[in-house]
Amino acid sequence: DGGITQSPKYLFRKEGQNVTLSCEQNLNHDAMYWYRQDPGQGLRLIYYSQIVNDFQKGDIAEGYSVSREKKESFPLTVTSAQKNPTAFYLCASSINPSGPYNEQFFGPGTRLTVL
Amino acid sequence: AQSVAQPEDQVNVAEGNPLTVKCTYSVSGNPYLFWYVQYPNRGLQFLLKYITGDNLVKGSYGFEAEFNKSQTSFHLKKPSALVSDSALYFCAVFSGGYNKLIFGAGTRLAVHP
Repeated sequence: DGGITQSPKYLFRKEGQNVTLSCEQNLNHDAMYWYRQDPGQGLRLIYYSQIVNDFQKGDIAEGYSVSREKKESFPLTVTSAQKNPTAFYLCASSINPSGPYNEQFFGPGTRLTVL
Repeated sequence: AQSVAQPEDQVNVAEGNPLTVKCTYSVSGNPYLFWYVQYPNRGLQFLLKYITGDNLVKGSYGFEAEFNKSQTSFHLKKPSALVSDSALYFCAVFSGGYNKLIFGAGTRLAVHP
């Protein structure tokens, strides 16, 4: 988990609220990613960013939004449009977004629960 | 379509015995394969990767994986399991066309004393 921090560790949201999950990295990596993890389904890609001020939708982007104003930060907002947001959210980064040689490094995760 | 399959939801092994966690893949072009481990309520940790070269790849914590092109497999192995190896293991393939990692559903490894 070193080099990538996520906060908060646990987050509770009431229905209809937007919440923002923080992800910061000090690895000087160009690419950053957000995944959602549900039991038995592995990791699903929400959004990714290869460079500052640019990002692309992943497989399950609906109900989520991101920004990439700084290289080290990639916050994820879970909006009220996300119908089932309760999950474990993982942020990751990698040196070269286009190269298959570079593994992704993961943060410790944020567990979001809708009350 | 690019995909990764981990056919076993759970693998049980006695401490000291060898372990194998299976992974098969489907990808167009050259496969770039990864194994990650996840401990409870933690992020994923990188174990090893196959890019090219020797089919037997050695990684962290005594793990290794064997790339088999004809069987499109990349099974994770360890000669002698430890109780502390108990965790959730993910296989992943880099999809160049989509510029992202595709993960399998994960296999839970339980090592019993």
